Amino acid sequence: GAVVSQHPSWVICKSGTSVKIECRSLDFQATTMFWYRQFPKQSLMLMATSNEGSKATYEQGVEKDKFLINHASLTLSTLTVTSAHPEDSSFYICSARSPRTGNQPQHFGDGTRLSIL
Amino acid sequence: QKEVEQDPGPLSVPEGAIVSLNCTYSNSAFQYFMWYRQYSRKGPELLMYTYSSGNKEDGRFTAQVDKSSKYISLFIRDSQPSDSATYLCAIFTGGGNKLTFGTGTQLKVEL
Repeated sequence: GAVVSQHPSWVICKSGTSVKIECRSLDFQATTMFWYRQFPKQSLMLMATSNEGSKATYEQGVEKDKFLINHASLTLSTLTVTSAHPEDSSFYICSARSPRTGNQPQHFGDGTRLSIL
Repeated sequence: QKEVEQDPGPLSVPEGAIVSLNCTYSNSAFQYFMWYRQYSRKGPELLMYTYSSGNKEDGRFTAQVDKSSKYISLFIRDSQPSDSATYLCAIFTGGGNKLTFGTGTQLKVEL
């Protein structure tokens, strides 16, 4: 079964709205979670690494003030797209890696399709 | 040059065919190699994971890594229509967090 849950799965909203996406690890505590963005027919691009209890680490070119990340607990990270515009429409996917398994691969959520009108 | 190169396809094969999917990479520091399957509008699902050169088999799937050539492959035997999806290779260095993905190959298995 799924080990990472993402909510909502699809959101449509008006330009200028802020949207919050949640990512939960279901059966393990994740000190680190990852947020990716995927445009149609393109690969996943890492946006930021979310660290529990500290600031997120953003990849080059990703606006920190635009994409707010909060990792307040060991099982929940949130991504807020602030003042969203049509160009922010994309598929946002989170992932987490169980700390029990060291370098084992990340488990991904089912993604959130964001459509900004 | 991209760190990971993958033919985007689409690749169309008849049911029962053997499918070969490939990626090349440029950074010799990469140590861990994964293949993910992604259905439309879903997150990637881990299929295979390996960290050494050679073959690793799991059911109908075989992952192959050739570190000397910086080349990785995924073979699917007896392909089924349910295998139709996008297949992503992903690589990372030990101790790091960042996964580097290929662009994904879209596979269609036809009846």
